[in-house]
Amino acid sequence: GAGVSQSPSNKVTEKGKDVELRCDPISGHTALYWYRQSLGQGLEFLIYFQGNSAPDKSGLPSDRFSAERTGGSVSTLTIQRTQQEDSAVYLCASSLSGTSGSLRVDIQYFGAGTRLSVL
Amino acid sequence: KNEVEQSPQNLTAQEGEFITINCSYSVGISALHWLQQHPGGGIVSLFMLSSGKKKHGRLIATINIQEKHSSLHITASHPRDSAVYICAVTTWGWAGGTSYGKLTFGQGTILTVHP
Repeated sequence: GAGVSQSPSNKVTEKGKDVELRCDPISGHTALYWYRQSLGQGLEFLIYFQGNSAPDKSGLPSDRFSAERTGGSVSTLTIQRTQQEDSAVYLCASSLSGTSGSLRVDIQYFGAGTRLSVL
Repeated sequence: KNEVEQSPQNLTAQEGEFITINCSYSVGISALHWLQQHPGGGIVSLFMLSSGKKKHGRLIATINIQEKHSSLHITASHPRDSAVYICAVTTWGWAGGTSYGKLTFGQGTILTVHP
């Protein structure tokens, strides 16, 4: 696709339910990032994928959060047993490459985000 | 203290005014980014710079590596410039045995330009 695609755009769920958020990166982009933007807060890093390598999961706030990236392309962020404090906009971004091998920093292209509301 | 600090948090201007948003950071970086976020959430990269100055239309971004400071200027501001402007820096994270560029974000500056 032309840009990073996220679905759904909005998700309302009840506390305790599981949710899955999807990100389809720009074709050819090997690096994929998930971020969270809570109301009144700045963007917070969650997880990074580079191709099929082991991800950097250091930003995931609890073990209720997990993510996977199948075939080095589409990624799914799963939140189990959602809590009200999980309510936020979840943003996905992709870039050509994230690694330092070429000493190159690539621009990240962001999706429109999924607005999650936990009631 | 946040690694990336922006000021001001909120900025209101009249159409045509010159606007400056400041960003200071406290870590070693490989690049600094200015991002724009319109209501509805979409984030667009305005600039990525590691030294000096860049200009695009009415937007100018500067960075002083020694002082760890960057500024975003908007000349002849217009109501369509109303948005949240976010400063972010690239530091190096570690995943899968290699380092990678990791963004750390400022809190954002909410800009409102009145006609």
